[in-house]
Amino acid sequence: AQTVTQSQPEMSVQEAETVTLSCTYDTSESNYYLFWYKQPPSRQMILVIRQEAYKQQNATENRFSVNFQKAAKSFSLKISDSQLGDTAMYFCAFMKLTPQGGSEKLVFGKGTKLTVNP
Amino acid sequence: ETGVTQTPRHLVMGMTNKKSLKCEQHLGHNAMYWYKQSAKKPLELMFVYNFKEQTENNSVPSRFSPECPNSSHLFLHLHTLQPEDSALYLCASSQGRGGWGTEAFFGQGTRLTVV
Repeated sequence: AQTVTQSQPEMSVQEAETVTLSCTYDTSESNYYLFWYKQPPSRQMILVIRQEAYKQQNATENRFSVNFQKAAKSFSLKISDSQLGDTAMYFCAFMKLTPQGGSEKLVFGKGTKLTVNP
Repeated sequence: ETGVTQTPRHLVMGMTNKKSLKCEQHLGHNAMYWYKQSAKKPLELMFVYNFKEQTENNSVPSRFSPECPNSSHLFLHLHTLQPEDSALYLCASSQGRGGWGTEAFFGQGTRLTVV
């Protein structure tokens, strides 16, 4: 079974600074996706960034980037130039893929509560 | 708006009541999921359906009964619940086994309170 571990229950950062959230996972699969989701106080789960396991290049989305270390099974999220609107719970997630590329169950870590301070 | 709609947004029910949660997606996805989110166990996967077929039941008590009449709709029927079942119930959808892997899209959730 796949497990996802987020070792930082809470973090805080000053506005405009950079913060890194850590995530490790355990799987025997070779074909999978990894995601970071954001859940603000509104409770709406929003995709932040995704990484295909077969891609060596780290994914980036504007101020968000990941450090994907496949051998170490590590998938950290870096937020640059933090903004007040980044305050939210951040969840790391693992999605198993079928041999044909279809998606199967999505497993989440326990989350990291990030607070951006003015 | 993510394309996944859940109703109702809030529900208060007694332990002897029967109620249903509804989830609807028009994204053309083939897989739908129910998650339970509570303070004690954030984001527990409950059920997964692929092409209307249940492919995952994560040891969920029988007082929760899912139904997937088609790929666009997913229900969670509730009966004789316990106060510890109070939580946010999230529905999600993704391409599933029939398509290329992609992210899951989530509804806004139903906040359930069992009294």
